[in-house]
Amino acid sequence: KNEVEQSPQNLTAQEGEFITINCSYSVGISALHWLQQHPGGGIVSLFMLSSGKKKHGRLIATINIQEKHSSLHITASHPRDSAVYICAVGGSNYKLTFGKGTLLTVNP
Amino acid sequence: NAGVMQNPRHLVRRRGQEARLRCSPMKGHSHVYWYRQLPEEGLKFMVYLQKENIIDESGMPKERFSAEFPKEGPSILRIQQVVRGDSAAYFCASSRSGSFLYEQYFGPGTRLTVT
Repeated sequence: KNEVEQSPQNLTAQEGEFITINCSYSVGISALHWLQQHPGGGIVSLFMLSSGKKKHGRLIATINIQEKHSSLHITASHPRDSAVYICAVGGSNYKLTFGKGTLLTVNP
Repeated sequence: NAGVMQNPRHLVRRRGQEARLRCSPMKGHSHVYWYRQLPEEGLKFMVYLQKENIIDESGMPKERFSAEFPKEGPSILRIQQVVRGDSAAYFCASSRSGSFLYEQYFGPGTRLTVT
């Protein structure tokens, strides 16, 4: 069993919809990261969080340390949001463990 | 302030050749991490380096793979005698410190294809 599980694996939405991507992990962590990867592209860090909630534009990330669960929300989704969203967790040091990613497709 | 630079972006090698992947960290960053992304799989940690030192290479295959981060110049990931299974995207990331408190910034990746 992977230490980091994401759901769903694939998600298709219509432009304007509210989107939620989930991440569950089985190990103790110090920080959780949400990353974005466009097809054939590089990786961009969206959020790093260890508690509570962070917001950046239309993106919101939340984490519940007790339940070992995080969610990434996208409000008013747009086709340019189409990408793979990756959850990664880090322990007390530098090592990151990654989920397999969620492929999001937003149709116009 | 330039981000993490990787080159080449795409690299094609025949089986048995050597592949050299380069990573220049962000300005002010002295910690470099290499990750591999195999098709249909998540990113996996390979190696963590500081200037002139390999700190953790627990994710590196035991043979044919090596990494360095010299005092001057970029970090190099070297794959000798490449095989088809080495085809993947290789990403490097850099940070100011190895502590979890410091965010890692990723480069655009090098996509290696072995024919």
